[in-house]
Amino acid sequence: EPEVTQTPSHQVTQMGQEVILRCVPISNHLYFYWYRQILGQKVEFLVSFYNNEISEKSEIFDDQFSVERPDGSNFTLKIRSTKLEDSAMYFCASSAGRETGELFFGEGSRLTVL
Amino acid sequence: LAKTTQPISMDSYEGQEVNITCSHNNIATNDYITWYQQFPSQGPRFIIQGYKTKVTNEVASLFIPADRKSSTLSLPRVSLSDTAVYYCLVVGVGNMLTFGGGTRLMVKP
Repeated sequence: EPEVTQTPSHQVTQMGQEVILRCVPISNHLYFYWYRQILGQKVEFLVSFYNNEISEKSEIFDDQFSVERPDGSNFTLKIRSTKLEDSAMYFCASSAGRETGELFFGEGSRLTVL
Repeated sequence: LAKTTQPISMDSYEGQEVNITCSHNNIATNDYITWYQQFPSQGPRFIIQGYKTKVTNEVASLFIPADRKSSTLSLPRVSLSDTAVYYCLVVGVGNMLTFGGGTRLMVKP
């Protein structure tokens, strides 16, 4: 069964450092997403991406965040200058269509900011 | 955006049927009702989706009354591995899923 893969599974970084989280969506999917979940809290939408541009973004997705699809397979989330409150599990997801409601999530990347 | 309300937690025993009800009083005409499952330290996983009446797949059934203001996820004969958080979402155009707190299901032996 095709799956979304994410790397790294866990990253520890110092406050103020840049972090790049990587995702390989399912190959024939066209829509890509990043969500995050702070420990013990809800899964929160960050951004959606289609046709090489951001479709929607939440208030969380400020100027410190950016996304990119540098080649035909990877989808990355960059945090320019990490803060303590960025510590969370970051989930990448992809979907075939925009209105299906069926997103395929990866296993997540745990980010710990010290 | 339609708000959903579901129990914070439920307990069950292996082999029992579990029904989790979700209310979504202000669901819009074009919205679908979608359920996800999440195990600890894993990403959410799509379970089932419906618009009205009943939908069944190999994992669960989803019952939606005519007014669509609520829905019930039914898990037949649960096992210990069904212990997870179950999220009810109302999804419109754009797939910007809004997760609530979910229902934490604990299946006991």
